[in-house]
Amino acid sequence: EVHLVESGGGLVQPGGSLRLSCAASGFTFNSHAMSWVRQAPGKGLEWVSGVNAGAGSTYYADSVKGRLTISRDNSKNTLYLQMDSLRAEDTAVYYCAKGASYAHYTFEHWGQGALVTVSS
Amino acid sequence: EIVLTQSPATLSLSPGERATLSCRASQSISNYLAWYQQKPGQAPRLLIYDASNRATGIPARFSGSGSGTNLTLTISSLEPEDFAVYYCQQRANWPLSFGGGTKVEIK
Repeated sequence: EVHLVESGGGLVQPGGSLRLSCAASGFTFNSHAMSWVRQAPGKGLEWVSGVNAGAGSTYYADSVKGRLTISRDNSKNTLYLQMDSLRAEDTAVYYCAKGASYAHYTFEHWGQGALVTVSS
Repeated sequence: EIVLTQSPATLSLSPGERATLSCRASQSISNYLAWYQQKPGQAPRLLIYDASNRATGIPARFSGSGSGTNLTLTISSLEPEDFAVYYCQQRANWPLSFGGGTKVEIK
């Protein structure tokens, strides 16, 4: 069974940094693209960033480019999101999502989410 | 950037009725579209991928159709557990994007 468990969320001041992790199990991690998707309180889904299976290609939404950095450690079956220069509008639940083998950036499995609150 | 517009924003229906949800793309996305269901306090669940393929374990009452710029999710006969918010998502171009969602509520 696929499990994705996010950690590292919390309260941070504007301009601060935070690092999210997503521990994956139940599938061959190094064979799947992975993404981060966020949802602000009471709002819809927003794709944030993606990385291919081999970590050679990364992709970002314009709203986070230059501030958030996605990475993965295939030896540890873990996905990361380094979040710098955080703003109030980055406040959201951040979901880790696994790409399907048949459609790499279709999100077949999701974690339970990690809440990030940016506030002074 | 491809913008996905979902309509209607809210759909008020009774159990047993048919639901038709629309997702319009600002440019052609071929069939590179997925549909997700989200209930309060839960992560989204994949329903349909590549416009018309049901994901594993999804009941046959859910179907997807269309290509290009006009795509549709149909729920043939609403069950009580189908009342939720539905999102479309394109993977045709970077950056990936989601529609704003359609809430299907009980009338």
